[in-house]
Amino acid sequence: SQTIHQWPATLVQPVGSPLSLECTVEGTSNPNLYWYRQAAGRGLQLLFYSVGIGQISSEVPQNLSASRPQDRQFILSSKKLLLSDSGFYLCALQRGSSYNEQFFGPGTRLTVL
Amino acid sequence: DQQVKQNSPSLSVQEGRISILNCDYTNSMFDYFLWYKKYPAEGPTFLISISSIKDKNEDGRFTVFLNKSAKHLSLHIVPSQPGDSAVYFCAAYSGGGADGLTFGKGTHLIIQP
Repeated sequence: SQTIHQWPATLVQPVGSPLSLECTVEGTSNPNLYWYRQAAGRGLQLLFYSVGIGQISSEVPQNLSASRPQDRQFILSSKKLLLSDSGFYLCALQRGSSYNEQFFGPGTRLTVL
Repeated sequence: DQQVKQNSPSLSVQEGRISILNCDYTNSMFDYFLWYKKYPAEGPTFLISISSIKDKNEDGRFTVFLNKSAKHLSLHIVPSQPGDSAVYFCAAYSGGGADGLTFGKGTHLIIQP
């Protein structure tokens, strides 16, 4: 079965600092990968998804970016964090476009001060 | 515009009774629906799903009902157990591709002893 790792688990960063969150997956190849964010009092919002290496689709305009340098690695980045970037960031995978279920990693709690 | 709505932010149910969580959607293109359970500071865990070609799917204590004409689905948990206390997210999807899930804001289920 597939496993999703997210690093770090928690992060406190000052406004204007850069960000790099990492997601790695095991137990599957060529998955679709996703970044979601849960802000306080809100549901989960899709930020980015990727169907393969170097392929990134963005759902909402923002100061975040994503990259997929390897098949099983998905990175969320920012050059300058905003207060509104605080939230719980979740990486998810879907085994392929013919599957419907998505499975989530443990998440990263980001606090921007 | 919120395409998936969970209008009850919280629900309190006595242990052993039935828990019913509701979800409404507006996008008629959605053809696959999922329920996730989430504990604080953890990623969502997939519970159960249903395709739009069905009106019921059952897995152990969990049953999901879909009413396409009303654009409404519900999750029934019978009997409710203390470990069921969590936030439950309804999610919807236009299947057959790599699109991300659209989530509701969640319902916090509290099982009372």
